[in-house]
Amino acid sequence: GQQLNQSPQSMFIQEGEDVSMNCTSSSIFNTWLWYKQDPGEGPVLLIALYKAGELTSNGRLTAQFGITRKDSFLNISASIPSDVGIYFCAGQIAQGGSEKLVFGKGTKLTVNP
Amino acid sequence: KAGVTQTPRYLIKTRGQQVTLSCSPISGHRSVSWYQQTPGQGLQFLFEYFSETQRNKGNFPGRFSGRQFSNSRSEMNVSTLELGDSALYLCASSLVGQGGNSPLHFGNGTRLTVT
Repeated sequence: GQQLNQSPQSMFIQEGEDVSMNCTSSSIFNTWLWYKQDPGEGPVLLIALYKAGELTSNGRLTAQFGITRKDSFLNISASIPSDVGIYFCAGQIAQGGSEKLVFGKGTKLTVNP
Repeated sequence: KAGVTQTPRYLIKTRGQQVTLSCSPISGHRSVSWYQQTPGQGLQFLFEYFSETQRNKGNFPGRFSGRQFSNSRSEMNVSTLELGDSALYLCASSLVGQGGNSPLHFGNGTRLTVT
């Protein structure tokens, strides 16, 4: 089946640093989504990308849909303590006449004040 | 606009019992998807319902089942519980489902512990 390789698995950074994480696959995706999950809560949608090459920002967050449609990255600039959490990428792929969403295993971000 | 609501938030059951979890989607959303989240496996897709019909199914045993009502509310049921079923069960709704430009919006999940 399709797999999304999300890296890094975890990151430990200082407040104020920039962060970059990415997802890659051997499969082609039609949509890329980035979610953040805080402890004890469900994932919250951060950014949705619908076109190859698309670059979208949401405050300090920027994400891009790779031109090959097989990858996406998420950048966080000037990190703050509330950025702590697990970030998931998700790719939408056509399979068997329908579309399904495949999730990466997450990047756990720790921000030291 | 109210978000996705899942009840109960926490459940403790013993092996062999069965359990029913409930999900109310965002108003106007017709698709409900269910996921199992565990530390080792991440988010695993269970099934998706749209207009009361199961549209997609993941690779889970038949002990896991679901349904959707005419008001788009959904329930999932797990019968003959096993210790390995302990997980966070997440429900997500969207306007038209996992296809199309309609991202999933998640609830806060039901934490199921099987002892």
